[in-house]
Amino acid sequence: AQTVTQSQPEMSVQEAETVTLSCTYDTSENNYYLFWYKQPPSRQMILVIRQEAYKQQNATENRFSVNFQKAAKSFSLKISDSQLGDTAMYFCAFMKHVTSGTYKYIFGTGTRLKVLA
Amino acid sequence: DVKVTQSSRYLVKRTGEKVFLECVQDMDHENMFWYRQDPGLGLRLIYFSYDVKMKEKGDIPEGYSVSREKKERFSLILESASTNQTSMYLCASSERRRTQYFGPGTRLTVL
Repeated sequence: AQTVTQSQPEMSVQEAETVTLSCTYDTSENNYYLFWYKQPPSRQMILVIRQEAYKQQNATENRFSVNFQKAAKSFSLKISDSQLGDTAMYFCAFMKHVTSGTYKYIFGTGTRLKVLA
Repeated sequence: DVKVTQSSRYLVKRTGEKVFLECVQDMDHENMFWYRQDPGLGLRLIYFSYDVKMKEKGDIPEGYSVSREKKERFSLILESASTNQTSMYLCASSERRRTQYFGPGTRLTVL
């Protein structure tokens, strides 16, 4: 069974510092997609960054970058120059092929990140 | 921008009531999803739909049903609400193999 594991339920980081959130997953597929989503307190879930497994280059979006290790099935999120607005719950997700043309997403249990002033 | 809306932000129902949660997306997405979010459990997929009138069970479909009569609308139905269905319900939509866009969520309390 495919699973997504986030081993850090809560983390904190000082403003302007760098923090890394870990995520591991288990799959027998070769082509798939991985995502990090952010859910700020009482606000809507939004996409942070996405990685396609066939691409060796790690995805980057401004202060957010990933360390994608396909062989190790690891997909960590690095947040540089942390800002107070980064305080949120972060979810790692794996997109799984279900049937031809159909997909579903499997989410981890989340990491609650608090950025401290 | 993609917009996914849910009919209610907060809902309080009594045990045994039939509950309808509505979700509408405005980007002509093929796929729509219903999740429930509980502390420590993350998001768990209840049902998803990849086309009008098409649906597939997710990981926790028991006690729920869905309806997709139009492409833009995906409804979650609790036939007889129970206290263990108290949760946050999130709707999402996506194009094939693409990013999911989420609604604001409905916090349902069943008394």
